Amino acid sequence: SNSVKQTGQITVSEGASVTMNCTYTSTGYPTLFWYVEYPSKPLQLLQRETMENSKNFGGGNIKDKNSPIVKYSVQVSDSAVYYCLLCQTSGSRLTFGEGTQLTVNP
Amino acid sequence: ETGVTQTPRHLVMGMTNKKSLKCEQHLGHNAMYWYKQSAKKPLELMFVYSLEERVENNSVPSRFSPECPNSSHLFLHLHTLQPEDSALYLCASSLTGTAVGYTFGSGTRLTVV
Repeated sequence: SNSVKQTGQITVSEGASVTMNCTYTSTGYPTLFWYVEYPSKPLQLLQRETMENSKNFGGGNIKDKNSPIVKYSVQVSDSAVYYCLLCQTSGSRLTFGEGTQLTVNP
Repeated sequence: ETGVTQTPRHLVMGMTNKKSLKCEQHLGHNAMYWYKQSAKKPLELMFVYSLEERVENNSVPSRFSPECPNSSHLFLHLHTLQPEDSALYLCASSLTGTAVGYTFGSGTRLTVV
């Protein structure tokens, strides 16, 4: 069965770089989406990763079942919940991670 | 169960049919959402009901009609759909003003034939 695991909470100071992991288990090679949720706003797509462009995002490789997202020089306004979504290639299975609460202190 | 219940789980309908999707939550949330998930595409926000106001994505065709009779129930009425409307339709709810996050239902897998 599919599963997605994310780091629960991360707290950093402004200007820091942050890596948020998304470790998944899948029977195939799915598409991975990152969504960000700012307070009181709907989910917004941050990035997507497929087998074809896995080399362009973060330090992970979707083949290794870990697909992190890296944010550099974060600001207070980057404080949000970041969700990782696993989508099977058939589109019939969706698995959300529990989200990473990023808090950036001034 | 996540606390957000969607029915039916699966639906097959013809292009001339009229059907409705139902979503229900008793989490005390005050905002509800309809999302469309197509194969290999990101979630598409269709409608938002927040504090009894409706916000919609202008790109959503009029053959999709939402209804939110109260803060716990949300419907999506479907009529004269097209095959390209086949997708997974997700309902979500949230408590506005907090960072608690969304609670999603399991979705309705819709197939238009």
